[in-house]
Amino acid sequence: TQLLEQSPQFLSIQEGENLTVYCNSSSVFSSLQWYRQEPGEGPVLLVTVVTGGEVKKLKRLTFQFGDARKDSSLHITAAQPGDTGLYLCAGYYGGSQGNLIFGKGTKLSVKP
Amino acid sequence: NAGVTQTPKFQVLKTGQSMTLQCAQDMNHEYMSWYRQDPGMGLRLIHYSVGAGITDQGEVPNGYNVSRSTTEDFPLRLLSAAPSQTSVYFCASMGLYEQYFGPGTRLTVT
Repeated sequence: TQLLEQSPQFLSIQEGENLTVYCNSSSVFSSLQWYRQEPGEGPVLLVTVVTGGEVKKLKRLTFQFGDARKDSSLHITAAQPGDTGLYLCAGYYGGSQGNLIFGKGTKLSVKP
Repeated sequence: NAGVTQTPKFQVLKTGQSMTLQCAQDMNHEYMSWYRQDPGMGLRLIHYSVGAGITDQGEVPNGYNVSRSTTEDFPLRLLSAAPSQTSVYFCASMGLYEQYFGPGTRLTVT
């Protein structure tokens, strides 16, 4: 059974602080995605990482895929209240497109 | 461009009732899927389809049926609702690497 562990489960910080969210597995993934979900809405894709060691930046968000393609991290610099939401990682381990599994998410709250 | 649409937004059912959650996409994607999201459990795959006429089970298929008669539509049927099916349901369609989610249906079974 493929599993994705996300940590921390909850994170409450002040505006301006930095934070890192982790996504770990014992399995190798063909690609890994990060989503952000706001209350009452569906998840929205932020980024897809495909190559081991890959780093992608999206404004103040930095995403990294582990060299072995078993883990990933999301780093937010100078967090803002607008970053508040549920962050989900999802790993695709190849074969059928149904082979996409989600972590349980990290609920981030950024206070002004 | 509407993307992925779902109806209804909210629904309350009594135990044993049946209903269909509707999902439609206008991106001509072959792959569509249904997830349920429960507190502390993340998103779990119920059923998916890789094209019209082709469906398969995901992680938690029991109590749900699907069909895919067209590329655009992928309805989810609950034949006999149970309280354990109280959840938020998301439909999604997938392009090459990107998955697009609908706004969700919040279902309560009493």
